[in-house]
Amino acid sequence: NAGVTQTPKFQVLKTGQSMTLQCAQDMNHNSMYWYRQDPGMGLRLIYYSASEGTTDKGEVPNGYNVSRLNKREFSLRLESAAPSQTSVYFCASSEVRGRGEQYFGPGTRLTVT
Amino acid sequence: GNSVTQMEGPVTLSEEAFLTINCTYTATGYPSLFWYVQYPGEGLQLLLKATKADDKGSNKGFEATYRKETTSFHLEKGSVQVSDSAVYFCVLFGGYQKVTFGTGTKLQVIP
Repeated sequence: NAGVTQTPKFQVLKTGQSMTLQCAQDMNHNSMYWYRQDPGMGLRLIYYSASEGTTDKGEVPNGYNVSRLNKREFSLRLESAAPSQTSVYFCASSEVRGRGEQYFGPGTRLTVT
Repeated sequence: GNSVTQMEGPVTLSEEAFLTINCTYTATGYPSLFWYVQYPGEGLQLLLKATKADDKGSNKGFEATYRKETTSFHLEKGSVQVSDSAVYFCVLFGGYQKVTFGTGTKLQVIP
C-alpha cells in the first residue's frame, strides 16, 4: 500500500495564478483532510471531507476550494494564489469518522511570489 | 475551545540522555490524545496514543500517560538516539473532526 500520496512535491506560483493539489489514499478511508503547516503555528485545518460526497470548512478555508472526487481522492484548489498561501500543505485520511488517528501524506511545499 | 500547549523548542540532547517534552491541554468532554512525529522532509506519523484518563501509550521506547487531573500528556524516552531527531507534535482529538495540534517541538540529538 502506498498510503497517502500527494502531487506535486514542490510548486512555485506567481501571485494570481491558480493550481490544484492532488491527494489520494488507498486505505479505503472514509474521511480526508487538508492542512497547512507554517513555522511556529503547528498544523491548521483548511477543509475536510467526513465521507464521500461531503466537504466542510476547517479553521482557515479562505482562498481555497476542495473537491472530493471519489472515496480515494480529495483535491485542494487555489483559485488566485497569494503570498500568504506560501506554506507546506499536507493531506491526511482517517478510517472512521470521529476516531482521530490520521495518516498523512508527504506534503507539498508551495511558494507564491 | 480546545487548545494544546507544548514546550518551546528546540530541545538539544546528547545521545542516551533522558527526554521529556511537556504537553498540556484544555478541552471539554473526554478527548483522545496523540503524539505524532515528523522527520525532516516527511509527513507526520502517529507515534502513540491514549484514549482515556490514566491510559499509557507507548511505542519505539517512547511513553506518554494521559493525566486528567493535571491535563497533561508528556512525552518521555529513557535514552534518545540520533535517529530520534525530529519534530514532535502533541495532538488532541475532541470528537467529530475537532483535531487540535500543538505547535511542535523540535528535538535534536547529538552524538
